Amino acid sequence: QVQLVQSGAEVKKPGSSVKVSCKASGGTFTNFVFSWIRQAPGQGLEWMGRIIPIHGTINSAQKFQGRVTITADKSTSTVYMELNSLRSEDTSMYYCAKYTDSGDGFDVWGQGTMVTVSS
Amino acid sequence: QSALTQPASVSGSPGQSITISCTGSSNNVGSYNFVSWYQQLPGKAPKLIIFEVNKRPSGISDRFSASKSGNTASLTISGLQAEDEAHYYCCSYAGSRTFSVFGGGTKVTVL
Repeated sequence: QVQLVQSGAEVKKPGSSVKVSCKASGGTFTNFVFSWIRQAPGQGLEWMGRIIPIHGTINSAQKFQGRVTITADKSTSTVYMELNSLRSEDTSMYYCAKYTDSGDGFDVWGQGTMVTVSS
Repeated sequence: QSALTQPASVSGSPGQSITISCTGSSNNVGSYNFVSWYQQLPGKAPKLIIFEVNKRPSGISDRFSASKSGNTASLTISGLQAEDEAHYYCCSYAGSRTFSVFGGGTKVTVL
């Protein structure tokens, strides 16, 4: 049973950066593809990007290109999402999620990390 | 503005069937059989209930079914139960530049 455990809540100032971690357990890390998805308070889901750890391929949504960095550490089975130049609109719950084996859909989710951007 | 359009709310009485639509375009829903649906209970992470248009993951009730026609995907919940009250989101693959797009979500209320 694959589990994803994310780092704790963060409060950041506008203009700063945040780095959220997501540690996978219960499976073979390099067999998986991970995405980051965020959800502003009371709003819908927004796909941010994905990483394929086995060969390091990274794709991100156009909206976040240049501002988001997604990485993976195979030695610790952990994926990271760093978002810089934070603004108040980035206040959201950030989720990591694993794609299904077929590549469609996200079948395992982390518990979420609340990032609050406030002066 | 979400790439996929869902009704903001749908309601039904216990035992009834309801259908949630998810309208996209030829850039996403209409071109790929990669539509997934998620149930999100208050304060919880989303849960996958449908993938590849109409497949249910192990452990998901067969009261959940889904289909696609043209640019519109649909999720049907039959035999509506109080525990089905939640937000539901659709998601579609949108090609190798955009990847994944979500609908704005639908709140299902059991009357």
